[in-house]
Amino acid sequence: SQKIEQNSEALNIQEGKTATLTCNYTNYSPAYLQWYRQDPGRGPVFLLLIRENEKEKRKERLKVTFDTTLKQSLFHITASQPADSATYLCALENSGGYQKVTFGTGTKLQVIP
Amino acid sequence: DARVTQTPRHKVTEMGQEVTMRCQPILGHNTVFWYRQTMMQGLELLAYFRNRAPLDDSGMPKDRFSAEMPDATLATLKIQPSEPRDSAVYFCASGLALVVANEQFFGPGTRLTVL
Repeated sequence: SQKIEQNSEALNIQEGKTATLTCNYTNYSPAYLQWYRQDPGRGPVFLLLIRENEKEKRKERLKVTFDTTLKQSLFHITASQPADSATYLCALENSGGYQKVTFGTGTKLQVIP
Repeated sequence: DARVTQTPRHKVTEMGQEVTMRCQPILGHNTVFWYRQTMMQGLELLAYFRNRAPLDDSGMPKDRFSAEMPDATLATLKIQPSEPRDSAVYFCASGLALVVANEQFFGPGTRLTVL
């Protein structure tokens, strides 16, 4: 069966360090993968999209990698700040078509000052 | 700035009552999604519209849930009759379907509590 796995345990990290979040998937062949940020009481906000033929994508302090062989995406936040504390969700294109995506359950990141 | 709006933001109702949630997608967007979020299940897709036509509602309990887009500026999600297990946050998202990718813009959600 199809599965998207993100660390359900919260990730605590010291301010200034690099945070690395993992998204693993099975039985998907996504053409692209997205990362979203969600703050408490709010809807998810789109951060980055990476396509299957791209190994890496960067945006300011964010970096995403996509390894279709390992079936894994890594999401990095460099020089992390307390304001980066949130839940981060990965979303995979669903091969059922219509550009529908399926979301992982998210990893909560806490950046400690 | 353009954003997805949802009403109501909070709804408390009793089991058996009808609940209607409304969403105004971003002007110009041609895709609309309804999601339900709970601690246990995360974000689950309930329904997906493109150009106002329902493309996928396989995630929706058909006997009690219905989703419609009466026009391009309004999407509705209705539960009748509501049950306590429907308690969740319901999000609407809109996007512009391009060739491959579909970044979604989420509304603030409707927090539903069914007693």
